[in-house]
Amino acid sequence: DVQLAESGGGLVQPGGSLRLSCAASGFTFRTSWMHWVRQAPGKGLVWVSRITSDGSTTNYADSVKGRFTISRDDAKNMLYLQMNSLRAEDTAVYYCATDVSYVPSSWGQGTLVTVSS
Amino acid sequence: QSALTQPRSVSGSPGQSVTISCTGTSSDVGGYNYVSWYQQHPGKAPKFMLYDVSKRPSGVPDRFSGSKSGNTASLTISGLQAEDEADYYCCSYAGSYTVIFGGGTKLTVL
Repeated sequence: DVQLAESGGGLVQPGGSLRLSCAASGFTFRTSWMHWVRQAPGKGLVWVSRITSDGSTTNYADSVKGRFTISRDDAKNMLYLQMNSLRAEDTAVYYCATDVSYVPSSWGQGTLVTVSS
Repeated sequence: QSALTQPRSVSGSPGQSVTISCTGTSSDVGGYNYVSWYQQHPGKAPKFMLYDVSKRPSGVPDRFSGSKSGNTASLTISGLQAEDEADYYCCSYAGSYTVIFGGGTKLTVL
């Protein structure tokens, strides 16, 4: 079974940085594209970023482009999201997910990021 | 890019069928057969219900079906059950390896 476990969330001040991690198991991580998706409190799902299996191609939503960086470590079966210049509107639960036909498929339980002074 | 358009809420009685629409543009829903649907219960992670418009992942009941016409995709749930009450989100590939979600639909089982 696919298992994804996000960590690294917490309270951060506006302008600050945070790195989220996603531990993957139960599938062949090194051949899998991966996504980050977020959900603000009481709001809908919003796609954030995607990385190809070899890490050579990354894509971002316009709202995070230039501030967030997705990366992976296949030796550790880990996915990351480096978030810089954080804003109040980045407050959300962040989910990592596997990919099927270009869209997120299996999801972790999420980690909450709160940006507030 | 604006979210795909879904009705804010739908409802149905047990045993009935309901359909949730998801309207996009020719740059997303209309341009690709990479539409997926997710079910989310309160406080839980989304669950993958359909992909490639109408394919069901292993374990998803065949009461859940999908279709697409032009720029609008649809999720139909037949034989409605109490546990189907949840939020439902559509999602589409939008080109250039990006993805867009719908705003979500709250399904109430009366």
